[in-house]
Amino acid sequence: GQQLNQSPQSMFIQEGEDVSMNCTSSSIFNTWLWYKQDPGEGPVLLIALYKAGELTSNGRLTAQFGTTRKDSFLNISASIPSDVGIYFCAGHGSGNTGKLIFGQGTTLQVKP
Amino acid sequence: KAGVTQTPRYLIKTRGQQVTLSCSPISGHRSVSWYQQTPGQGLQFLFEYFSETQRNKGNFPGRFSGRQFSNSRSEMNVSTLELGDSALYLCASSLMGSGSAETQYFGPGTRLLVL
Repeated sequence: GQQLNQSPQSMFIQEGEDVSMNCTSSSIFNTWLWYKQDPGEGPVLLIALYKAGELTSNGRLTAQFGTTRKDSFLNISASIPSDVGIYFCAGHGSGNTGKLIFGQGTTLQVKP
Repeated sequence: KAGVTQTPRYLIKTRGQQVTLSCSPISGHRSVSWYQQTPGQGLQFLFEYFSETQRNKGNFPGRFSGRQFSNSRSEMNVSTLELGDSALYLCASSLMGSGSAETQYFGPGTRLLVL
């Protein structure tokens, strides 16, 4: 079945530093989504990508849909304490309506 | 526009019981997907409903079932609960469930604890 490998598994950084995380897939995806989840809450959508090569920004966040359609990365610039949480990548393949495949998550901790 | 709502937020059940969880999608969204989140398995797809029909199903036993109503609200049911069913159950809605309209927005989840 389709799998997503997300790395790194966790990160502990200093406030102000930039962060990068990525996901790779064993198969092609048509859509890549990045979510952030706080404890006890549902994932909140950060960025959605729909085309290979697409580069999209949302404030300090930037994400790209890889040209092979099998990978995506998320960058966070100038991290702040409220960036703490778990970040998930998710992909949607063709012919699989309503089903997202999720990465294992990247836990981000920011030291003030 | 109100987000996805789920009720109840927390639930405690005992083994063998059954449970029904409810999800109200974002207004205008017709696709509702359900996921189970556990520390060991992460986020796993359960099933997806569109126009009151199940269009896709994950690899879960038949004890897990769902339905969707004409107003797009959805319920999922778990019968004969097992300890391993303890999880955060998440509902997500999207406009159509395909193409650019497949972007899913999640509710806060229902935390189920089976004792």
